Amino acid sequence: GAGVSQTPSNKVTEKGKYVELRCDPISGHTALYWYRQSLGQGPEFLIYFQGTGAADDSGLPNDRFFAVRPEGSVSTLKIQRTERGDSAMYLCASSQDRGGEQFFGPGTRLTVL
Amino acid sequence: DAKTTQPTSMDCAEGRAANLPCNHSTISGNEYVYWYRQIHSQGPQYIIHGLKNNETNEMASLIITEDRKSSTLILPHATLRDTAVYYCIVSPRNTGTASKLTFGTGTRLQVTL
Repeated sequence: GAGVSQTPSNKVTEKGKYVELRCDPISGHTALYWYRQSLGQGPEFLIYFQGTGAADDSGLPNDRFFAVRPEGSVSTLKIQRTERGDSAMYLCASSQDRGGEQFFGPGTRLTVL
Repeated sequence: DAKTTQPTSMDCAEGRAANLPCNHSTISGNEYVYWYRQIHSQGPQYIIHGLKNNETNEMASLIITEDRKSSTLILPHATLRDTAVYYCIVSPRNTGTASKLTFGTGTRLQVTL
């Protein structure tokens, strides 16, 4: 079927605002990952879901970042009180099972003015 | 996770084989070698992985040294579309919190006419 999709593709917001980034994984993939990529750097891990639960959220930079996956499929990354330093490409990936090859979406480019 | 070392950049003529090296001298016995690539403005793409045996698929070949301290990704006939950043990653497989991928800065491969 279709690959991983992410919406929106671009998001511009103002400092202090709240944003939500959506990820639709490949159908049937139980594992879902969020990464963040700054310019010139490799992606950095944020959080990993196995089913509905966050199995590892050690990469979330602070409590302004939160992610959910209520039905074990679509996930939303939520950022409160955005800061200019949050500007980056946010990538979502899914895999068929824990530890399997990860399939990445095209990313959401977030710009905080 | 074990760290990897890759050259910052490499050039390859179109039609020739591209050989991308990776050092992972501290790799653990349960860690696999994964290769992903990221074409400009896209999400990373899985290429291949291996544990200790050489592997080949439709995209590339992976040669892992007997001591597993280094590996080489081989693109047998590079094309302009293979221009990308190539990431070598070592990670356990099928273990909970270690399912995340730790990307370095990768090798920027430029394929030229």
